[in-house]
Amino acid sequence: GAGVSQSPRYKVAKRGQDVALRCDPISGHVSLFWYQQALGQGPEFLTYFQNEAQLDKSGLPSDRFFAERPEGSVSTLKIQRTQQEDSAVYLCASSLVPYSGNTIYFGEGSWLTVV
Amino acid sequence: DAKTTQPNSMESNEEEPVHLPCNHSTISGTDYIHWYRQLPSQGPEYVIHGLTSNVNNRMASLAIAEDRKSSTLILHRATLRDAAVYYCILGYNYGQNFVFGPGTRLSVLP
Repeated sequence: GAGVSQSPRYKVAKRGQDVALRCDPISGHVSLFWYQQALGQGPEFLTYFQNEAQLDKSGLPSDRFFAERPEGSVSTLKIQRTQQEDSAVYLCASSLVPYSGNTIYFGEGSWLTVV
Repeated sequence: DAKTTQPNSMESNEEEPVHLPCNHSTISGTDYIHWYRQLPSQGPEYVIHGLTSNVNNRMASLAIAEDRKSSTLILHRATLRDAAVYYCILGYNYGQNFVFGPGTRLSVLP
């Protein structure tokens, strides 16, 4: 398909385990976003990439969260030593260029449950 | 922080029009107004966006106030499938975030 693809769709992790969430943006899209969405809340911004450059990581909640996009396409969000409060849906989104009039396309999300 | 304010929830009857308001009093001249919706267990879905003029597409219409400090998303005939959380967001530019607020939870009654 031509949309934003995320994997795994569902992940159950034991507390303390490391997890990696993958995002395949739409081909050619320069901008890539990660969001965290807790149950019943709106998506909260985590980090933003323009090509391979991570221009904003102000939303990452702790140094256990790390994101990369080494070749300017696929991105990985890594969470080290997961805690129960990390349980949430992690949404990836991409946009063609950083322009206010461009549409941002979201993936279906990766549902993380930490037990 | 979100730059828009919306009512927490609204109700509509099926097949009636729905007007979802949004205030964005600090909007800048280059900010587009975007509307997204999120159905249960899905990622946010694009609905419509505009800059100054009213916009129409197959899903909805967007009415933008002349001073651009508010806008209204119009669903012409609500269906049960339109029950979702609707977010009004100002478009991002280089160095800015695409920030969601709490949105409006729309319930559609049969």
